[in-house]
Parts: sequence; structure tokens; C-alpha cells
Amino acid sequence: QSALTQPASVSGSPGQSVTISCTGTSSDVGAYNYVSWYRQYPGKAPKLIIYDVSQRPSGVSDRFSGSKSGNTASLTISGLQAEDEAYYHCSSYAGGNPFERLFGGGTKLTVL
Amino acid sequence: EVQLVQSGAEVKKPGESLKISCQVSGYSFTSEWIAWVRQMPGKGLEWMGIIYPGDSDRRYSPSFQGQVTISVAKSTSTAYLQWNSLKASDTAIYYCARSYNLAFDSWGQGTLVTVSS
Repeated sequence: QSALTQPASVSGSPGQSVTISCTGTSSDVGAYNYVSWYRQYPGKAPKLIIYDVSQRPSGVSDRFSGSKSGNTASLTISGLQAEDEAYYHCSSYAGGNPFERLFGGGTKLTVL
Repeated sequence: EVQLVQSGAEVKKPGESLKISCQVSGYSFTSEWIAWVRQMPGKGLEWMGIIYPGDSDRRYSPSFQGQVTISVAKSTSTAYLQWNSLKASDTAIYYCARSYNLAFDSWGQGTLVTVSS
């Protein structure tokens, strides 16, 4: 299975909203509501911020929201803050092998 | 508090073997799947495989099948990732992560593996 497709970089100014896309196929993103998003600061481990397309774990800010349309999932960050500058990775259940997960290539968010 | 604590950085030569570890605490080790994820320098995340500590049922990504071995030691709540013969292309950071509801909700801090002659 191929990796999911994310833009290499996005940017926004403080207070604005940005959206990061994650495109898969009808066999993975389009077939299941098991898309998750992770934030990763340089030199640190990833942290789960969205699961099951749009659910936030306890403690994650409601400025983070997730959605899906067809084969593309999206992460929206509203009210951008300097601390949001990081890498964001999407992941999807891949079907087939019951436990395989696909990841996107990661997106660098720059807060201008 | 759920914690996954990984072993320290390793520097190895091509052809050498290696086993890195991930010790878990804060929940029932045998009740949740543990995955291993690779991150090559400057690249994204790659799912390598997953193991259920309760019965050692394990599954591998086709890309890593035969290249690594995932195992556990229930007595110490530790998961392992092992190579029999390292290659330079194995240079990467390796993360263990708990799989919960088809997402990875807790991660180890990562183990940097450098393979160089």
C-alpha cells in the first residue's frame, strides 16, 4: 500500500486557521473512519491529537478538529498559536492486513 | 499514567545484530497491542509491525516482513524490536506506540539507531 499524501508545508499567521489535507484511496481513508492525526515537535515523539477522523483525546485543545470527505481527510487548526508550529502526520487504517496502518509523509506547519 | 520508555541510542556496524526495547507501565501490558514505527532522517512515519503481548500474536508490514522481529517479555512488560543483520539503510529513529482503538495513543521517546562502517 502507498503512503498517504500530505502537503510538505503549510503556513499561517497567529489567530488564523489552517487546514492540512491527507489524501488516500477508496481502500483506506475512503473506506474506514479510522483516520488519526499526530503532532510532532522536532526531536520529540509524535502525540495523538485526533482519532476516528474527528475525535479529540482528553486534554487536546478544541482548536484542533478533523473531518473527512471521500478519500481525503483534513485537520483544521483554528486560532493559530506559535506553539502550533510543528510537524503533523496523518494515519489511516489500511484494511487488508487487519492491523496495517498507513502514514502520510508529514506536513510542516509554520506560524508566521 | 501510561508510559513507554525505550532503550538508549545505538551505534552499530553493517552486519551486526541489535535488539532495542520498550518498557511499558501504567496499564495492563497484556491487554493492548504495541506497534513499532520507523522514522528515517527527515522523513515521515512508517508502520513496521504490531504485537499483542497477551499471546504474542504479531503482524508485520510487507515492507518489514523478514527484516525485523518483534517480541515481548511479559515478566518485565517489555516489547522488543530486533535485527539479525543491520544495513546502513536501517539508520533511523524507532518508536514504540500503544495501539488503542486503531490509533496510537501513547508513544515511547524513540531510539536512534545509527548503522555506519
